[in-house]
Amino acid sequence: EIVLTQSPGTLSLSPGERATLSCRASQSVSSYLAWYQQKPGQAPRLLIYGTYSRASGIPDRFSGSGSGTDFTLTINRLEPEDFAVYYCQQYADSPYTFGQGTKLEI
Amino acid sequence: QVQLQESGPGLVKPSETLSLTCAVSASSISSGYYWGWIRQPPGKGLQWIGNIDHSGFTYYSPSLKNRLTISVDTSMNQFSLKLSSVTAADTAVYYCARHRRDNYSSGWYFDYWGQGTLVTVSS
Repeated sequence: EIVLTQSPGTLSLSPGERATLSCRASQSVSSYLAWYQQKPGQAPRLLIYGTYSRASGIPDRFSGSGSGTDFTLTINRLEPEDFAVYYCQQYADSPYTFGQGTKLEI
Repeated sequence: QVQLQESGPGLVKPSETLSLTCAVSASSISSGYYWGWIRQPPGKGLQWIGNIDHSGFTYYSPSLKNRLTISVDTSMNQFSLKLSSVTAADTAVYYCARHRRDNYSSGWYFDYWGQGTLVTVSS
């Protein structure tokens, strides 16, 4: 099973700043990496798939990068609604696993 | 906009079978996608459970496959999950989700989700 490790566990920033979230895989997942945002009491929302591609309706301040085992989600110019928990997910190999999450807080 | 809605009992006794249904709207379940389940224990991370296509072809998480059955009802545009011999460790919010593939991937990411339903395993 591919283990995804996200860092940091919690990231404290202010609106207008840039957030950089990391996801490291225990083995290569090629580019088969997605990112999700989850707010309290809500289902996760797809942000990024295929490492780079933004899902429909996702603002361009969200961007993904990386390949192989190291991936990054960058959020430019943080808005108040961006403060949430973010998960990465690999779909290179079953079972399709998630990271433990990074909480982005004000 | 694709919508998914989970339904089923919120409380299940240990050793019994957990049963949930996901109704899909604004998209035909026969449209070529896979449809499946993901769960999240309270305060914890996400776990992929398994999926199914319109013809009934399934993929299951290895850790759950011995207890898991996912089925599809194309006439009702819905699919279902049954998890047998449940324990407290199966207590979680269960989400149904549309599974989507990249052009060359063998696996899936999840582009539309239901709101989730909490299932508690307790006597």
